[in-house]
Amino acid sequence: EVQLVESGGGLVQPGGSLRLSCAASGFTFSSYWMSWFRQAPEKGLEWVANINLDDTEKYYVDSVRGRFTISRDNAKNSLYLQMNSLRTEDTAVYYCARKRPTYIDYWGQGILVTVSS
Amino acid sequence: QSALTQPASVSGSPGQSITISCTGTSSDVGGYNSVSWYQQHPGKAPKLMIYEVTNRPSGVSNRFSGSKSGNTASLTISGLQAEDESDYYCSLYRSGSTPVVFGGGTKLTVL
Repeated sequence: EVQLVESGGGLVQPGGSLRLSCAASGFTFSSYWMSWFRQAPEKGLEWVANINLDDTEKYYVDSVRGRFTISRDNAKNSLYLQMNSLRTEDTAVYYCARKRPTYIDYWGQGILVTVSS
Repeated sequence: QSALTQPASVSGSPGQSITISCTGTSSDVGGYNSVSWYQQHPGKAPKLMIYEVTNRPSGVSNRFSGSKSGNTASLTISGLQAEDESDYYCSLYRSGSTPVVFGGGTKLTVL
């Protein structure tokens, strides 16, 4: 059974940093691109970042480029999102997801990140 | 403002059929066969219901079907059940700097 479990969320002040982790199991992690998405309170889904199989290609939505970094450790079956210079508008539930060429087939349960003073 | 346009809400009675539309342009929905649909119950993760316009993943009820005509994709749910009450999002994968875009979501109410 495919499982994606996020951790590392919480409350952080504007300008602060947070690192999200996603533990993957039930599939060969190194064989799949992975993604991060987010969903602000009472809002829709937004793509945040993609990463390729060996951590050499990374893509970001414009609003986080230069502040967020996606990475992975295939030996640990883990995906990460380093979030720096956080803003109040980054407040959201963040989802780790397994990417197929044209869709997402599995999502984690999500982790809440709140940016507030 | 979302890149893809969905109705904010739809409703139907148990046993009926409903259709949720997802409208874009010839540069996105009309130009790609990469539309997918996700079901999201409150406080839960999204669940893939349809991928590449018409394909249904293993385990998803055959009451769910997808289609596309021109710049509009559609999700049809037949034989509505109470458990279908949820939010539904369409999504499109495309080339470019933002490879994934979503509709604003549609709240389905089963009366």
